[in-house]
Amino acid sequence: KNEVEQSPQNLTAQEGEFITINCSYSVGISALHWLQQHPGGGIVSLFMLSSGKKKHGRLIATINIQEKHSSLHITASHPRDSAVYICAVYSQGAQKLVFGQGTRLTINP
Amino acid sequence: EAGVAQSPRYKIIEKRQSVAFWCNPISGHATLYWYQQILGQGPKLLIQFQNNGVVDDSQLPKDRFSAERLKGVDSTLKIQPAKLEDSAVYLCASGKNRDSYNEQFFGPGTRLTVL
Repeated sequence: KNEVEQSPQNLTAQEGEFITINCSYSVGISALHWLQQHPGGGIVSLFMLSSGKKKHGRLIATINIQEKHSSLHITASHPRDSAVYICAVYSQGAQKLVFGQGTRLTINP
Repeated sequence: EAGVAQSPRYKIIEKRQSVAFWCNPISGHATLYWYQQILGQGPKLLIQFQNNGVVDDSQLPKDRFSAERLKGVDSTLKIQPAKLEDSAVYLCASGKNRDSYNEQFFGPGTRLTVL
């Protein structure tokens, strides 16, 4: 079993829908990152969380340390949000980032 | 501020050939990472440098992969000889300091296809 699991693996929605991507992890962490990867490979950091909730524009990220779970929400989704979203945790034991397998999001107009 | 630069962006080689990738991190970033990302998977750390020293190379297949960061700035990753299973995107990232829970900045990646 992977130390970081994301669900769903693939998600297709219509423009305007509310999107939720989930991330569960099994190791002790210092922080959790949400990353966005567009076709072509480049990765952009969206959020870094160690507790609570953060909001940036239409994106909201939450984390529950006790339940070892995080969610990324996108409100009023748009086709330009289509990308792979990756959850990564900084493992206290391994002292490095451990990545989930990513969630491929497609927003249709 | 310029981002992390990588070259080439794409490379196609035959198995058993050699290939090298180059990365120039963001100016002033002490930490540099090389990741391998196989299609449909998340990135996997190959090697982490702090300045010109290796911090973690536990997942680097050292029989065929090598990496260096001689002057503590740019870095090269080499594969010799390449295997079919090396087909992947190779990502370089840099950070201000060693702790990964600080933000890492990623380059555009090099997509390697081994035939």
